[in-house]
Amino acid sequence: DVKVTQSSRYLVKRTGEKVFLECVQDMDHENMFWYRQDPGLGLRLIYFSYDVKMKEKGDIPEGYSVSREKKERFSLILESASTNQTSMYLCASSPGQQQGEQFFGPGTRLTVL
Amino acid sequence: GQNIDQPTEMTATEGAIVQINCTYQTSGFNGLFWYQQHAGEAPTFLSYNVLDGLEEKGRFSSFLSRSKGYSYLLLKELQMKDSASYLCAVRGSGNTPLVFGKGTRLSVIA
Repeated sequence: DVKVTQSSRYLVKRTGEKVFLECVQDMDHENMFWYRQDPGLGLRLIYFSYDVKMKEKGDIPEGYSVSREKKERFSLILESASTNQTSMYLCASSPGQQQGEQFFGPGTRLTVL
Repeated sequence: GQNIDQPTEMTATEGAIVQINCTYQTSGFNGLFWYQQHAGEAPTFLSYNVLDGLEEKGRFSSFLSRSKGYSYLLLKELQMKDSASYLCAVRGSGNTPLVFGKGTRLSVIA
């Protein structure tokens, strides 16, 4: 069974704090993705990675950065959290060049006060 | 550009059949996915279509017409537990990430 885990289910941070969201997958997938999900806006792609140390901007990368030092781990970083980054963050992974089905982690609900 | 449209909300009765439509315009096409997402949970994979026609999997079926840029998800013998959001996602050309629609929230009522 593919398992994608995220470091926290719920997180509360203050404006200006640096925030790390961690994602780990255990199926040796090449591809990993970070999305945020907001009511009425659906899933929006922040960043993705097809290989270690590789990253690509998605549709809404502003205010975020990522790190992929190991194949199984993909971290999302909010350098200086703002209230408009309050959202549900979902990590996903998929195998190979043609991506295939994406497997999602349970999500982290981040609140920035 | 890429655009995926699906209805925002639908309501159906327990035991009935419901069809959720999805239309898409993308740069290239390399498959269409349907996901189910219960409130507060992660999306889970339901079906995948890359060729025209109907794919059946138990109570759920998915149809694709590439020439029309159209798909639907058919849910039969609806159960209360089918109340969820259903997300349509398209894989474009090459190695591009999935593009997701905004989802259709289905409410199943007694």
